[in-house]
Amino acid sequence: QVLLQESGPGLVKPSETLSLICSVSGYSISTNHYWGWIRQPPGKGLEWIGSIYHSGSTYYNPSLKSRLTISIDTSKNEFSLRLSSVTAADTAVYYCARGTILGKGSWFDPWGQGTLVTVSS
Amino acid sequence: SSELTQDPAVSVALGQTVRITCQGDSLRSYYASWYQQKPGQAPVLVIYDNDNRPSGIPDRFSGSSSRHTASLTITGAQAEDEADYYCNSRDSTGSHLGVFGGGTKLTVL
Repeated sequence: QVLLQESGPGLVKPSETLSLICSVSGYSISTNHYWGWIRQPPGKGLEWIGSIYHSGSTYYNPSLKSRLTISIDTSKNEFSLRLSSVTAADTAVYYCARGTILGKGSWFDPWGQGTLVTVSS
Repeated sequence: SSELTQDPAVSVALGQTVRITCQGDSLRSYYASWYQQKPGQAPVLVIYDNDNRPSGIPDRFSGSSSRHTASLTITGAQAEDEADYYCNSRDSTGSHLGVFGGGTKLTVL
C-alpha cells in the first residue's frame, strides 16, 4: 500500500519561507511516476502547485514559479516543497500526491492526508 | 495556461442520476480525471483517463468526454456520494503543467 505523509511547520510568518516534506512509504520514489504538491485554501478549491519526476525534472504553476522550489531525495524516499516570501494568501491545506502521466491522461493517486499551513505573524 | 470550468453546485434526489461537467480547451487534447472530496478529507481519485474507474470505486461512477467537455455521472446516487467533485487535466500548452476545475458541490436530497 502506497502511503504519503506531509510534515512541516503549521505556522509560518509573512515574508518567510514555507517548507514541507512528503514522506513516501510502500513505494520507491525512484520508480517511473511523478510527485506533486496541491493546495487548498480554507473553503476554496484545489490548486496544483507543481510536480517533480524521479529524475529531478520539475514543473511549476506559473503563478508560483518565482517563489517555488520542489526537490526530491531518493535516498530518503521523500520530496519537498519550499515556497518563499509567503503571505496570508498562501494559507492552505497542502497535499502531496503521486502522479501518473500516461499518453493523454494524467492523474493523482494516492494523496497524503494534507497539512494545514497558516501564514500569520 | 488553461482553465477548467465546473458548475459550483448540483443537487440530485436519492437514487437518481446526476451528471457533473467540466469544460476547458485542454480537454480537446488531454484526458480528464475526477476526484471526490468529503469534508475534512483528502481528495480521492474516482475516474481517470476520462472514463476509467480505479479499483474500489463503485460502478455507479462513470466518466465520459466530448470535444471540450468531460463529464462525471453518478447513476443511482447514494447519500454517501454527497461531496465536492473536482476535475483535473493537463495544461493545453502540451507541457506537464496541471490544472483543476473550481469544484462542484453535490447535494443528495
